[in-house]
Amino acid sequence: KAGVTQTPRYLIKTRGQQVTLSCSPISGHRSVSWYQQTPGQGLQFLFEYFSETQRNKGNFPGRFSGRQFSNSRSEMNVSTLELGDSALYLCASSLTEFQANYGYTFGSGTRLTVV
Amino acid sequence: AQSVAQPEDQVNVAEGNPLTVKCTYSVSGNPYLFWYVQYPNRGLQFLLKYITGDNLVKGSYGFEAEFNKSQTSFHLKKPSALVSDSALYFCAVIGLSGGYQKVTFGTGTKLQVIP
Repeated sequence: KAGVTQTPRYLIKTRGQQVTLSCSPISGHRSVSWYQQTPGQGLQFLFEYFSETQRNKGNFPGRFSGRQFSNSRSEMNVSTLELGDSALYLCASSLTEFQANYGYTFGSGTRLTVV
Repeated sequence: AQSVAQPEDQVNVAEGNPLTVKCTYSVSGNPYLFWYVQYPNRGLQFLLKYITGDNLVKGSYGFEAEFNKSQTSFHLKKPSALVSDSALYFCAVIGLSGGYQKVTFGTGTKLQVIP
């Protein structure tokens, strides 16, 4: 079966612009989480969606937002991009909201570079 | 507050030697512990997990991890390292926060296996 698909794989944007990243989870998975990965900070939790509802949110500014559609696909949006937003953005899907039972399956990520 | 510590940014080991990647955690209640591996320009891949039961957990690619409740540790081990094991390793803990399961990742440990 297909894995978690993230598009695009690479993105270069200018400061002040906005960007939308997409994540298609594994078929049947209803939970999608987003993480920001940077060399110094490791994985920072952005938000988690389950059945189109945001269940959890990390400590990121309001410029970071997301949503989940009825087919479980998710998008995250970053507005007014800053240089510090350059990172690998990872999406992870899980069968249910109980990751402890099922764990995550990660996508390959979207590498965002802000110039 | 829930937390995970990976005290070593990098671990170097000679091929064929045993390897250990350290992880300690802090969580309320029973911990659910995971190890993931990340190869360059890829997402994280699941290695193994501890939910309950035997303290020694066996996972993919010959890796195993030892859960030590008294030391709140979950160190990753392999009896004989391969060059292909060189990657970034993340420890994660799942606990309850506000009625939801919350996942916290460590900052990652880069494993370098030297031929």
